[in-house]
Amino acid sequence: AQSVTQPDIHITVSEGASLELRCNYSYGATPYLFWYVQSPGQGLQLLLKYFSGDTLVQGIKGFEAEFKRSQSSFNLRKPSVHWSDAAEYFCAVGGKKIKAAGNKLTFGGGTRVLVKP
Amino acid sequence: ETGVTQSPTHLIKTRGQQVTLRCSSQSGHNTVSWYQQALGQGPQFIFQYYREEENGRGNFPPRFSGLQFPNYSSELNVNALELDDSALYLCASRRGTSGRGGGYEQYFGPGTRLTVT
Repeated sequence: AQSVTQPDIHITVSEGASLELRCNYSYGATPYLFWYVQSPGQGLQLLLKYFSGDTLVQGIKGFEAEFKRSQSSFNLRKPSVHWSDAAEYFCAVGGKKIKAAGNKLTFGGGTRVLVKP
Repeated sequence: ETGVTQSPTHLIKTRGQQVTLRCSSQSGHNTVSWYQQALGQGPQFIFQYYREEENGRGNFPPRFSGLQFPNYSSELNVNALELDDSALYLCASRRGTSGRGGGYEQYFGPGTRLTVT
């Protein structure tokens, strides 16, 4: 069974400081990994994804994530946080299926990021 | 803006009633998934439809059912509502194509907030 753990429920960071959000996954095959961001009362916006290749992936809004197979991790980072980055962040895992259609995403519980001025 | 729309935005129902939520997929997407996001939790996969057929189901009872129409829009129906059904219901669409990473990005709508009293 696939699962995702986000160990940090809340993180508070000062504006301009760096941010790292942790994500550990369990998946029986080659995983496809995603980070989504959700602002209050909104849907999910895709920040970045990893399918294969370079293990350091760049996303939107200055975010990047590094896939480490040996640690089953896919941590999200941003060098300098802006007040607008305050939101909830979700890590998700999916996988390739033989059939063209269909692949569910399994999400972690989320990490809420608060940004101090 | 992902191009995925959902209606209604908010809904209040009484326990035991039935509800229908609607989703319009992004243009060109033939696969739609529904997720339930309870307060303070990550989204949980309900089911997925590909070309009008259910193509995967999560751990939800049969009173959760769905439809996908020829234009790839979709409905989620929930019968005999329970208090625990109160949640944000998210619809996500993607292209159901094979190939390296193709179509595995899911684009989420803004969700429907369902409150059961």
